[in-house]
Amino acid sequence: KQEVTQIPAALSVPEGENLVLNCSFTDSAIYNLQWFRQDPGKGLTSLLLIQSSQREQTSGRLNASLDKSSGRSTLYIAASQPGDSATYLCAVRMDSSYKLIFGSGTRLLVRP
Amino acid sequence: EPEVTQTPSHQVTQMGQEVILRCVPISNHLYFYWYRQILGQKVEFLVSFYNNEISEKSEIFDDQFSVERPDGSNFTLKIRSTKLEDSAMYFCASSVDMIRNTEAFFGQGTRLTVV
Repeated sequence: KQEVTQIPAALSVPEGENLVLNCSFTDSAIYNLQWFRQDPGKGLTSLLLIQSSQREQTSGRLNASLDKSSGRSTLYIAASQPGDSATYLCAVRMDSSYKLIFGSGTRLLVRP
Repeated sequence: EPEVTQTPSHQVTQMGQEVILRCVPISNHLYFYWYRQILGQKVEFLVSFYNNEISEKSEIFDDQFSVERPDGSNFTLKIRSTKLEDSAMYFCASSVDMIRNTEAFFGQGTRLTVV
């Protein structure tokens, strides 16, 4: 059964720092991996999607990498800003499945 | 920018009552989903829907739950007889397809409180 884990559970950094959020999964037979942002009491905003054949994806200050064989993905946020404060979720879709399996998220606080 | 919209944003219902949560997926999307998030827990998959049929469902999605696409734009989740443990944020999502354009876009959620 696929398990998705995110470490750390919470992170507090000063504004301007570069940071890395980690996501690991136990079954490497994934179809893709998607990173989301969730603000308190709100919905999920898609940030990046990486197909299983890709190694990384970039969008603005965000860069997501995928090492499928080792079951890991990282989300790199450059030059963090207070507006980046949110919970970041990773989710995997398995081959031959429609569902996303979510991690429990990393709660990020960027201090001004 | 196209978005998934959900109504209502918050619903309070008495235990045992039926509730219908509504969603309007992005217009050119073909796959629709419901997820839920109990407070403090992970987002959990409930059901996926394609071509007017359920394509996959989780063990949570028992006989108390049903989904429907009553017209060309709405996608609904019905809970027949709500229980206290159904209290959660319910998210609707949609994607273009399951091959190339698989990115799932989520709505803002409906907070369901069962009292």
